[in-house]
Amino acid sequence: GAGVSQSPSNKVTEKGKDVELRCDPISGHTALYWYRQRLGQGLEFLIYFQGNSAPDKSGLPSDRFSAERTGESVSTLTIQRTQQEDSAVYLCASSFSGFMDTQYFGPGTRLTVL
Amino acid sequence: GENVEQHPSTLSVQEGDSAVIKCTYSDSASNYFPWYKQELGKRPQLIIDIRSNVGEKKDQRIAVTLNKTAKHFSLHITETQPEDSAVYFCAASINNAGNMLTFGGGTRLMVKP
Repeated sequence: GAGVSQSPSNKVTEKGKDVELRCDPISGHTALYWYRQRLGQGLEFLIYFQGNSAPDKSGLPSDRFSAERTGESVSTLTIQRTQQEDSAVYLCASSFSGFMDTQYFGPGTRLTVL
Repeated sequence: GENVEQHPSTLSVQEGDSAVIKCTYSDSASNYFPWYKQELGKRPQLIIDIRSNVGEKKDQRIAVTLNKTAKHFSLHITETQPEDSAVYFCAASINNAGNMLTFGGGTRLMVKP
């Protein structure tokens, strides 16, 4: 079946502009996660959605970052007034139940802020 | 919050040798420890995981050990092959459900043929 997909694959933007990244999870997966991966570094947790519950936003680095998810489907991560330090690969993952479950990752969106 | 340290950052072995990657974590409440493999330019994929009620788990050439008292866990790859070359990430859960993860910084494993 189809895996997790993300769009766009690459995004180049100018400092100060807003960007929106999209994630399509695996159908039937109730949990969805966003991570940030800076070059040569590990994955940094950003936000977690579980079903219709309020998302856990504890990993968002600033109020410029926000995310939404409609039910158990598509999610969008929005970064407002982008800064150069926002440059990274943004990875989305989904899992079936959210309880010690395998997280399946998307291919990521490489964001470059000039 | 949880802090995960991973060592070494790079590891080079000859094909057929074993490779060991070690991680330590800070939160004694962590209960789930997955390992992900990320090949160059590709997405991370789960290769093995262990829960806190188990000390060791094996899957063919891969094994993971967990020492809860010392708060460290390790990945062991035996009979390494060139296709094992990748970046490996350990992670530890930061919530009871075991789905919110803190990742280590990664280990780049190079297997020389």
